[in-house]
Amino acid sequence: DQQVKQNSPSLSVQEGRISILNCDYTNSMFDYFLWYKKYPAEGPTFLISISSIKDKNEDGRFTVFLNKSAKHLSLHIVPSQPGDSAVYFCAAIAMWGYGGSQGNLIFGKGTKLSVKP
Amino acid sequence: DAGITQSPRHKVTETGTPVTLRCHQTENHRYMYWYRQDPGHGLRLIHYSYGVKDTDKGEVSDGYSVSRSKTEDFLLTLESATSSQTSVYFCAATGTSGGEGFFGPGTRLTVL
Repeated sequence: DQQVKQNSPSLSVQEGRISILNCDYTNSMFDYFLWYKKYPAEGPTFLISISSIKDKNEDGRFTVFLNKSAKHLSLHIVPSQPGDSAVYFCAAIAMWGYGGSQGNLIFGKGTKLSVKP
Repeated sequence: DAGITQSPRHKVTETGTPVTLRCHQTENHRYMYWYRQDPGHGLRLIHYSYGVKDTDKGEVSDGYSVSRSKTEDFLLTLESATSSQTSVYFCAATGTSGGEGFFGPGTRLTVL
């Protein structure tokens, strides 16, 4: 049973436009939601996160929105650049115990973003 | 990468042999994780640790064991390697805030 779902395996966007990556989750006990970017042959790189008590967090071109009632979050990248082409992972963590599993950091399957010049 | 290293970076081994992968962090993070990445599956959690000598199973823990005797080191052992354990293994660490987490560069393991 997937607790964190990224239903779009891939996304293609034109340079300069907005990229929107989506993520759904099932566990209401998650405290933080994180986004990672991954290039081939490298480890994932932390991008941005949001606490479950907030609905928006912004860092430069990256903004994450959280809709707790829908158990849905999204990452907006604007403007998109060719260097943003990578696989993006959504992750969630429950810090204070979900069935005893404190600190369990769970990932979605990823969305491959391609930004075309 | 917040000072997370993995060793070895590449390993080829034979079916049935034990293998140990090491993760080392320098930032005193409380939580550490081992994931494997396979095509079509994303990052799947093998085991994680929420403190020294405190570990728990993840989604795909069968055939793997872990140990954490010091804050900075988290070891992953394949007790008897199988070809299905051919994968790229990533170690990660987070602090108690949970708001960010850092990964190592990965270990590519091939089991023949």
